[in-house]
This record gives sequence, structure tokens and C-alpha cells, in this order.
Amino acid sequence: GAVVSQHPSRVICKSGTSVKIECRSLDFQATTMFWYRQFPKKSLMLMATSNEGSKATYEQGVEKDKFLINHASLTLSTLTVTSAHPEDSSFYICSAQRAGAGGGNEQFFGPGTRLTVL
Amino acid sequence: QKEVEQNSGPLSVPEGAIASLNCTYSDRGSQSFFWYRQYSGKSPELIMSIYSNGDKEDGRFTAQLNKASQYVSLLIRDSQPSDSATYLCAVAAGKSTFGDGTTLTVKP
Repeated sequence: GAVVSQHPSRVICKSGTSVKIECRSLDFQATTMFWYRQFPKKSLMLMATSNEGSKATYEQGVEKDKFLINHASLTLSTLTVTSAHPEDSSFYICSAQRAGAGGGNEQFFGPGTRLTVL
Repeated sequence: QKEVEQNSGPLSVPEGAIASLNCTYSDRGSQSFFWYRQYSGKSPELIMSIYSNGDKEDGRFTAQLNKASQYVSLLIRDSQPSDSATYLCAVAAGKSTFGDGTTLTVKP
């Protein structure tokens, strides 16, 4: 159990276009999902917390108008990178939260989306 | 001071040895503690969760938690080259906070 899918796995786009990334929890419902980005050999950087049925909570320094998040159902959250620029090229990873056996909230990660903006 | 601190490494151990990965945290209200493994170019994978003081064993992995010392560790017994990865410690008091990770290399 606890499988999270992410689509697409890789995308190359031209500067100025928008890219949508989907994150799905396949075998459990997730009221909370998270979006991260990671640069090569760097640590995970939390971008935003996605809450089903409400607005996402963005971390400081993350532009909410550039990174649009929609959590329309208990199994799907989407991240749209609007007007992408080369500096947005990165590895974007989502995670879905589920209650663990010990009572804490465990995060299960999708396989990631590698975005390259030309 | 970072909320979750890990030695960046790299940590190198010979095959068959015990690898010891350490993590300290600053929030005394933290209740949940996790270890993730991340292979190069891949996303993190949850390998251990621990919630109470003491040891928790799962196969070759043992997580150790000491809330008084604000310290959590991961021991990997009989290390294999396939264990070579970056190991992320995550601490949660509600939302999880990740450390920057320790890179482990297991040499054949």
C-alpha cells in the first residue's frame, strides 16, 4: 500500500509556457499533499502544502501566482508552473500524507517530475 | 541552527559493516520521526518510522530514538552496496521537517 504516482515523469518545454504536474495517491486518500523541488545534490525544499478543498499554504519565498496548486479530490493534487523560465528547471516531487500505525503522519513520495525549460 | 541536523557525509563503510546515521532536532514538541532513503535521481522512500523512545528494528535497519537528548539514529547492519544512497531524517510536530541528508557509500 501507500503508492503515489506522479505524471509526467519528465517534461521539456519552451520558456513562457505552462506545465501541469499531477500527483495521485493510488491506494489511500490524502487530505494533505506536499510539493517539493530539489536541485542536483541539494536537499528537498518544501514549496507548499496542498489541502483538499482549501487553498494551498505556500512556504516563504514561493510565488503562489507562479506555482498554482489545486487539490480537487482526496487522491489528486496538481501543480502548474506558469510562464516557466529556465530557472524553474528542477526536480519536482510530491508527497501524500497518511496516518502511520504509530499515530504520526507518514509521507509517501511520488517518483518525481524532471522539468527542463529551454 | 537548523531544525533538523544531519552530518552531510559522505559516510563510507565497507560491505558487511554497520553504518550509523545520526540526526538531532531542536523542537522538543516533536512526536514523530522518520528515515527516508533517496537514491541518486530518484525520490525519497520511507524506510522507518519511530514514535517512542528506544529501538525499533526492521530487518537490517534499526532506528533509535532518545527524546531527552533530541536525537534519532539509523543503524544499517550488514551494509550492502545497494544501501548506497542519501538518507534523510524527518521530524514532525504536525508538519514534517527534513534534514539535508547524509550520503552513504558502501564499498564492496
